[in-house]
Amino acid sequence: QVQLVQSGAEVKKPGASVKVSCKASGYTFTSYDINWVRQATGQGLEWMGWMNPNSGNTGYAQKFQGRVTMTRNTSISTAYMELSSLRSEDTAVYYCARDPGNVWGKGTTVTVSS
Amino acid sequence: DIQMTQSPSSLSASVGDRVTITCQASQDISNYLNWYQQKPGKAPKLLIYDASNLETGVPSRFSGSGSGTDFTFTISSLQPEDIATYYCQQYDNLPPFFGGGTKVEIK
Repeated sequence: QVQLVQSGAEVKKPGASVKVSCKASGYTFTSYDINWVRQATGQGLEWMGWMNPNSGNTGYAQKFQGRVTMTRNTSISTAYMELSSLRSEDTAVYYCARDPGNVWGKGTTVTVSS
Repeated sequence: DIQMTQSPSSLSASVGDRVTITCQASQDISNYLNWYQQKPGKAPKLLIYDASNLETGVPSRFSGSGSGTDFTFTISSLQPEDIATYYCQQYDNLPPFFGGGTKVEIK
């Protein structure tokens, strides 16, 4: 079946970077854009950016410009989201989602704490 | 950027009630609007796309309407399993921002 499987929870110190993976299966990975969305505890959904797995083209929300990088490895049908210069406010669940929004990963909890 | 204003932020209704949520875009987005349901600890689930189209497998008590800047999401008869937070999202332009969410509870 079509699914996105995300990597496990991470605990990072302020200033560090985190790289979350999202492995696609059940469909042609390069045929659908991947979006990344995060959600802090008790808060709403925040769109971070998108990537076209075929071309590698990306687009990021202005809030994350310069701190986020979205990449992919087509040979293993996996998308990645790396967020750098982490601060406590980046503590959240990070989701990958396939366009048009009908397939989501289960989420990866990233905790930033000293 | 297109801002999405969703209301109310929360509501409490009885089982069997009709529930309505609205979403207003800061500019014309045609019908490029999704509605999602999110239950605690779970990823969002797409219910409605293109403002009024029901995603496959979604119960028919859920519906959506609207175009341009004003949109409505309706649960025709609230069920206990509908307890969740609902979000709208525009996808006419990047960035595809979400509304602030509506938490639906049982009275």
